[in-house]
Amino acid sequence: DTGVSQDPRHKITKRGQNVTFRCDPISEHNRLYWYRQTLGQGPEFLTYFQNEAQLEKSRLLSDRFSAERPKGSFSTLEIQRTEQGDSAMYLCASSTSGGLYEQYFGPGTRLTVT
Amino acid sequence: GNSVTQMEGPVTLSEEAFLTINCTYTATGYPSLFWYVQYPGEGLQLLLKATKADDKGSNKGFEATYRKETTSFHLEKGSVQVSDSAVYFCALKNAGNQFYFGTGTSLTVIP
Repeated sequence: DTGVSQDPRHKITKRGQNVTFRCDPISEHNRLYWYRQTLGQGPEFLTYFQNEAQLEKSRLLSDRFSAERPKGSFSTLEIQRTEQGDSAMYLCASSTSGGLYEQYFGPGTRLTVT
Repeated sequence: GNSVTQMEGPVTLSEEAFLTINCTYTATGYPSLFWYVQYPGEGLQLLLKATKADDKGSNKGFEATYRKETTSFHLEKGSVQVSDSAVYFCALKNAGNQFYFGTGTSLTVIP
């Protein structure tokens, strides 16, 4: 297993367009997290799944954001009607639900909204 | 609410100097505490962790002790190397399994 992967690594889109990102977690990990990170800041929690169930969602997440994990494996994060303020690095992390909850992060998808 | 505050950088040290990066937290309940590191061009990776008061996390010569009385989790290393140059993030996990990260501290170690 090569770790958490994310696709695409970079996305440039025009304001108002929809974008979708994909995250493939480590295969035996049942928890999957999405974060947003802007320059000079730490990762900001967006949402997390345990298997296919979305258990927590940040109050900061607007209705334009939606995430799915249909079969409890990969996950997608969609942003509708993108705004310039959505420009950021979107990080995915996965972990087991037992043990000490170590999260393994993917390389991120950098979104630029023009 | 939950939040993490860590010292602002950037921090520049000479090789073999002593490192301290301060981290304090605000949390409801009893969080777990973490330090993550991001090396240039790489993703975030866990450096060390502590799950209850007075626990000491350690890895690669770095240490941090969970101090409930001062709500702190300061990162220390006795002798830094050039290869330790990275951005360090303090984080907490609350009972709802949400993670909260600090803003990161950039460390540069010069030979």
